[in-house]
Amino acid sequence: EPEVTQTPSHQVTQMGQEVILRCVPISNHLYFYWYRQILGQKVEFLVSFYNNEISEKSEIFDDQFSVERPDGSNFTLKIRSTKLEDSAMYFCASSGGTEFNSPLHFGNGTRLTVT
Amino acid sequence: QKEVEQNSGPLSVPEGAIASLNCTYSDRGSQSFFWYRQYSGKSPELIMFIYSNGDKEDGRFTAQLNKASQYVSLLIRDSQPSDSATYLCAVPGPSNFGNEKLTFGTGTRLTIIP
Repeated sequence: EPEVTQTPSHQVTQMGQEVILRCVPISNHLYFYWYRQILGQKVEFLVSFYNNEISEKSEIFDDQFSVERPDGSNFTLKIRSTKLEDSAMYFCASSGGTEFNSPLHFGNGTRLTVT
Repeated sequence: QKEVEQNSGPLSVPEGAIASLNCTYSDRGSQSFFWYRQYSGKSPELIMFIYSNGDKEDGRFTAQLNKASQYVSLLIRDSQPSDSATYLCAVPGPSNFGNEKLTFGTGTRLTIIP
């Protein structure tokens, strides 16, 4: 079964550094998402992306965050200047549509640790 | 602000019994509801979605929706140790019927006791 793949599985970075988290969505999917989960807390929506532009974003997704689909397969999340509170598991997801019967497929996540 | 509330548990259920997980939501305009399962350290995995009042069954899982009371529940029949996980209730964002901008609850941690 096709799956969403994320790299790296674990990223350690120093405060203030830039990080890029990478995702390869399922190949025929058109909608892409980033969610994050701080340890012990809720899964939180960050951003959705369709047709090469952001369709929705949350208040968490401030100017320090950006997303890009640099080619036909990758979908990236960049954090420009990381803060300690950015430490979390970041999940990429994709779907074939936005209808309720087009489920999100989540990747296995990238654990980001900011020191 | 859309709120999704779940009892965080832990909920312990003997193997073979029925596990009942509940979720309430604040936005009366919410139209569709999703149940995800999350094993420790893993990503959420969709179990079921429901959008009509009443029950929806899929194998050992039954989702129940009561829009008047603003709650949705998940029943797991014949519970197995492999059902031990955190169960997340999720509701789409405002004016979204589908799966966009999901608001997740904190999840209920379920343990099935052999």
